[in-house]
Amino acid sequence: DTEVTQTPKHLVMGMTNKKSLKCEQHMGHRAMYWYKQKAKKPPELMFVYSYEKLSINESVPSRFSPECPNSSLLNLHLHALQPEDSALYLCASSQGGGLAEDTQYFGPGTRLTVL
Amino acid sequence: RKEVEQDPGPFNVPEGATVAFNCTYSNSASQSFFWYRQDCRKEPKLLMSVYSSGNEDGRFTAQLNRASQYISLLIRDSKLSDSATYLCVVNILGSGNTGKLIFGQGTTLQVKP
Repeated sequence: DTEVTQTPKHLVMGMTNKKSLKCEQHMGHRAMYWYKQKAKKPPELMFVYSYEKLSINESVPSRFSPECPNSSLLNLHLHALQPEDSALYLCASSQGGGLAEDTQYFGPGTRLTVL
Repeated sequence: RKEVEQDPGPFNVPEGATVAFNCTYSNSASQSFFWYRQDCRKEPKLLMSVYSSGNEDGRFTAQLNRASQYISLLIRDSKLSDSATYLCVVNILGSGNTGKLIFGQGTTLQVKP
């Protein structure tokens, strides 16, 4: 079973709203990731959590705030977003603690529209 | 220069054709290599890992040449259901000794009846 789940599937929010994206895996994976994918572009890494600690932040603006409450859950808190932040937000997980040999498995994504 | 380069295509081929995709990467310290498939408006799904010894999974064969920093994917007997974007992906060490995936732009394949 390589299932990563994400909620919600779709989200529309205004620039003054606060919302959260959720990601869950029950495979015992020890690393979890957030990616952003714009239309017709490849995914771009935003954050990596390894053993529930933030390991990589790819210079993401502070209006995106990740949180890893436990080894199965990963949240992305959104506040004061801009229309250009509209994208598909993908969560992934991998078995090791984010080793460079790890295979990452992606969730279905949340399609975010910022008005 | 992009870290992972692919020909974006599109590749338009008839059913039953053999098609080959190539990819080059610039970071010689890259640790692991993959092909992912992404359907329109869906998430990337792992197609196969890629090894220097080459690996085959049914109609799909992947090959890695570390010396040339070159990765290939061969699809034999193409099916309509193979139509998708194929992403060449490299895993490199980021900060904190954590791996990070670097994606190529993707190659679009359209298999026609």
